[in-house]
Amino acid sequence: GAGVSQSPRYKVAKRGQDVALRCDPISGHVSLFWYQQALGQGPEFLTYFQNEAQLDKSGLPSDRFFAERPEGSVSTLKIQRTQQEDSAVYLCASSSQGAQSQPQHFGDGTRLSIL
Amino acid sequence: AQSVTQPDIHITVSEGASLELRCNYSYGATPYLFWYVQSPGQGLQLLLKYFSGDTLVQGIKGFEAEFKRSQSSFNLRKPSVHWSDAAEYFCAVGSSGNTGKLIFGQGTTLQVKP
Repeated sequence: GAGVSQSPRYKVAKRGQDVALRCDPISGHVSLFWYQQALGQGPEFLTYFQNEAQLDKSGLPSDRFFAERPEGSVSTLKIQRTQQEDSAVYLCASSSQGAQSQPQHFGDGTRLSIL
Repeated sequence: AQSVTQPDIHITVSEGASLELRCNYSYGATPYLFWYVQSPGQGLQLLLKYFSGDTLVQGIKGFEAEFKRSQSSFNLRKPSVHWSDAAEYFCAVGSSGNTGKLIFGQGTTLQVKP
């Protein structure tokens, strides 16, 4: 596609429910990143994929957060037993390579609200 | 640890005035530096990047930034601000290692007065 696509754009869930957020990267992009952006803050790194391999998940805040990219293209970020502190915008980005020199292209994000 | 500091949380300038947004970083080696802009409800758009070479880099929308190693700074500038420049601006550094993940500053909100 022309850009990184994320769905849904908005998600409201009750505390304790599970949610799944989808990211469709730019076609052919090897690297895929997830970031969490709390209100009034800069994005914070969650996890990184190179093709289907999850090479860095150091930013995932707890074991309730799980990400996958089984075929090396679309990725899903899953949050189990959601808590109010999970409310944030979740941004997905992709780049043609994982090197620092390659710019990341961001989607518009999914705004998650936990009631 | 690598970090990015944007000292100004909110800046207001008049349309047509010049702009400078500050960014300081902490990084052990030569950093990869980026400026992104975010409009409400949208993702981040890359304005410009610095990897090496000329310390003054040009970006889109008339923005430029200057890398100053001695000051650990990468300030963003624009000679004449337009009302459409009102947005959130983020400075970021590429972390060490080969994953390419970015470490962002807290952001600066730019308001433009008519």
